[in-house]
Amino acid sequence: GEDVEQSLFLSVREGDSSVINCTYTDSSSTYLYWYKQEPGAGLQLLTYIFSNMDMKQDQRLTVLLNKKDKHLSLRIADTQTGDSAIYFCAEDTGRRALTFGSGTRLQVQP
Amino acid sequence: DSGVTQTPKHLITATGQRVTLRCSPRSGDLSVYWYQQSLDQGLQFLIQYYNGEERAKGNILERFSAQQFPDLHSELNLSSLELGDSALYFCASSVSGGEGREQYFGPGTRLTVT
Repeated sequence: GEDVEQSLFLSVREGDSSVINCTYTDSSSTYLYWYKQEPGAGLQLLTYIFSNMDMKQDQRLTVLLNKKDKHLSLRIADTQTGDSAIYFCAEDTGRRALTFGSGTRLQVQP
Repeated sequence: DSGVTQTPKHLITATGQRVTLRCSPRSGDLSVYWYQQSLDQGLQFLIQYYNGEERAKGNILERFSAQQFPDLHSELNLSSLELGDSALYFCASSVSGGEGREQYFGPGTRLTVT
């Protein structure tokens, strides 16, 4: 079955690195995504990783994928107050819809 | 700005009523997806259209229906509204309807049923 889990809350200090974790259960996932949602806004696609990759880096963002453990993480380097938002991971199993986790609220303290 | 537009931004209506939410996909995108975001259910996929045809269905209630028009805009119709239908409704679009295509989300329509 499809199930994507994330921790609900993460608090970091400005300038530190943030690591947001996600686990999924469907081994047929081919693409995994990270979306950001700011208050009152829609979901913004941040980055994605194909299932045959272990890592993808995009400026301050690093995505790590451990297929064996079905674990995905998003690292944000030098976290800024503007990074405060809810972060969703989502899996694409080829059934043409994304399955989202419940979201992790990132709070960045100055 | 993702390029996906949704109207209206906010909608307040009474139980038993019917509403229509509208979505225009990004230029060039053929596929439209509808999602519902609520506090208790999280973000749930409702339905997908690709080039005018229904492609996939998720947890969409029978009281809800959607369509995609020849100009590729889509409408989500919600009828016999209940208090529990209060939620944020998002539309997303992608170039194709298959897997591995980034979905770009609109700003959402916040529906409040009183």
